Amino acid sequence: KAGVTQTPRYLIKTRGQQVTLSCSPISGHRSVSWYQQTPGQGLQFLFEYFSETQRNKGNFPGRFSGRQFSNSRSEMNVSTLELGDSALYLCASSLGHPTGELFFGEGSRLTVL
Amino acid sequence: AQTVTQSQPEMSVQEAETVTLSCTYDTSESDYYLFWYKQPPSRQMILVIRQEAYKQQNATENRFSVNFQKAAKSFSLKISDSQLGDAAMYFCAYRSNSGAGSYQLTFGKGTKLSVIP
Repeated sequence: KAGVTQTPRYLIKTRGQQVTLSCSPISGHRSVSWYQQTPGQGLQFLFEYFSETQRNKGNFPGRFSGRQFSNSRSEMNVSTLELGDSALYLCASSLGHPTGELFFGEGSRLTVL
Repeated sequence: AQTVTQSQPEMSVQEAETVTLSCTYDTSESDYYLFWYKQPPSRQMILVIRQEAYKQQNATENRFSVNFQKAAKSFSLKISDSQLGDAAMYFCAYRSNSGAGSYQLTFGKGTKLSVIP
C-alpha cells in the first residue's frame, strides 16, 4: 500500500512569490491535514479537509489556503511568501475519525529567499 | 486552548538501557487522545503509541510503554532496551475527541533522543 506522497520535496522561492504544495493520501483515506514545522514554532496545524470540506483551520493568516479534490488529493497554497514561511510542510492522511491514526508524508521543504 | 509541553529538548541513552521522555499537557476536556510520534532524520513521522484518556490502563507497544497520569496531566514515554534505530525526535501530541478540535493534533516542541552505542 503506497504511503502519503508529497510533491515537491524541496523548493526555493523568493519573497512575494506564491507556492502550491501537493499531497496524495493513502488510498481510501478521506482526511488530509497539513502542518507547518519550523525550529522555532515546532509543529503547527494549518488545516484539515475531509471529503472536500475544510473541517478545521489553524491560526494562520489568509495567505495560507488549501483545498481537497474529489479523489482526496489535497493542495495547499501560500501567497505573497515571507521569509518566515520557510519551513517543512507536512501532510497527513487518515480515515477521518478522531481515533484514526494519522499517516504522515516526508514533507515539502520550502525555502524563501 | 490545549497546550503540550515537553521539558527535555534533548536526551541520550546507552544502547540496551531504558529511557523515559516526559510530557505534560493542559486541557479542560475529559475525553481526548494522547500520542507519541517519532520523527527519524528522514523526517517521516511515525506513530509510536496511542492512549485514550478514558482508559486507565497504560498503553504498551513492544518496547514502548506510557505512564498516563490523567489527574496530573502527565504522559511519559518509556523506551526499554534502547536500540540505535530509536534515535529520533519524539513528539508528544494531543487530540480532542469532540468538536473541530478532534480534527487536529497539538504537538509539543519535541525531544531529541540520541542512542549511544
